[in-house]
Amino acid sequence: GDSVTQMEGPVTLSEEACLTINCTYTATGYPSLFWYVQYPGEGLQLLLKATKADDKGSNKGFEATYRKETTSFHLEKGSVQVSDSAVYFCALTGNQFYFGTGTSLTVIP
Amino acid sequence: GAGVSQSPRYKVAKRGQDVALRCDPISGHVSLFWYQQALGQGPEFLTYFQNEAQLDKSGLPSDRFFAERPEGSVSTLKIQRTQQEDSAVYLCASSLERELFFGEGSRLTVL
Repeated sequence: GDSVTQMEGPVTLSEEACLTINCTYTATGYPSLFWYVQYPGEGLQLLLKATKADDKGSNKGFEATYRKETTSFHLEKGSVQVSDSAVYFCALTGNQFYFGTGTSLTVIP
Repeated sequence: GAGVSQSPRYKVAKRGQDVALRCDPISGHVSLFWYQQALGQGPEFLTYFQNEAQLDKSGLPSDRFFAERPEGSVSTLKIQRTQQEDSAVYLCASSLERELFFGEGSRLTVL
């Protein structure tokens, strides 16, 4: 069945460091791919999405490219800030919405 | 309202009590989902509605869990005879064009 596997955390980075959170997926058909973010004490909110192969989603300095050949949708940011500290979830829609287990990111000044 | 609203935000129940969690989706959103999120885990699918029809309830963990959306808007997730393993955050999301909009969740603690 459809599923998402993402890099386990927690991840701790210094401010202005580069971030990559890996996400790979298994799906039949052509799913849409998403990254959701959950800030402390808040609900999940959409960070970015890509609906077809080779699409790049971007928002708030984060980027992810839908790679069909490697079935991946890795999240990247060139320079993280303290305010980026949160839990990040990779997700896909097939017949259903499927979420990864989440990767906790802490950015220290 | 502008977003998905869930109530109560926090619920403490004694084992064996029944609880009801409410979700008020974004106006006009046809699809509504319930998820269960255990501590340190990602959201796990429970059930899905399209308007008032419950199209998928394969994620409900037992027959103690029941969800309804009688008029195709507000939804209620009911858990009967709560057990300690039911302690989790219950997330509701409504959907438009394959994008989920989440509420802040209802944190259930069963003592």
